Amino acid sequence: QVQLVESGGGVVQPGRSLRLSCAASGFRFSNYGMHWVRQAPGKGLEWVAVIWYDGSIKYYADSVQGRFILSRDNSKNMVYLQMNSLRVEDTAVYYCARYGVGSVIDYWGQGTLVIVSP
Amino acid sequence: QLVLTQSPSASASLGASVKLTCTLTSGHSSYVIAWLQQQPEMGPRYLMKVNSDGSHSKGDGIPDRFSGSSSGAERYLTISSLQSEDEADYYCQTWVTGMGVFGGGTKLTVL
Repeated sequence: QVQLVESGGGVVQPGRSLRLSCAASGFRFSNYGMHWVRQAPGKGLEWVAVIWYDGSIKYYADSVQGRFILSRDNSKNMVYLQMNSLRVEDTAVYYCARYGVGSVIDYWGQGTLVIVSP
Repeated sequence: QLVLTQSPSASASLGASVKLTCTLTSGHSSYVIAWLQQQPEMGPRYLMKVNSDGSHSKGDGIPDRFSGSSSGAERYLTISSLQSEDEADYYCQTWVTGMGVFGGGTKLTVL
């Protein structure tokens, strides 16, 4: 079955960096795009970024453009979110999710918590 | 700009049915959307995608009690025979070139 497992979250000071990882299994990883979506405490879902199945195309939300960098390693079934210049407002649970057929997100991980605090 | 609009809250009694709505902005009525369920303290779970013609395809293991439909710019999620575990936040989601879009979510209370 499809599994997505995020790791790398933690507490970090504003301005610092953190790298999140997502390990995928149960499907042909190299055939699918992958999203990151975040959820601030008590808030709704916010789309962060997507990387195409082959890494050739990446899109970012305006709120993270220029600070976050997506990458993937299809040989390891991994996707990464490098988060630089972190801000207090980046505090959230970060979810890795699969970009399914028909432009929808069809599988989700359990999330990893990032807290940005002085 | 594509926006998905959802009512913040809904409620229905145990065993009853409820219909949740996700409205696409004018000019985007052909878009496919996904319905997601997020139970308390859990990650989101994909329920189904709903096409503009009202057809829908459900995710793995989603009970028959959950169904989708469509009318114009509105996409619906109907849950019948409500159970206590259906109490959750429900989000709609779609994709427009270069950006993922989520509705604000509907908090469903089962009375």
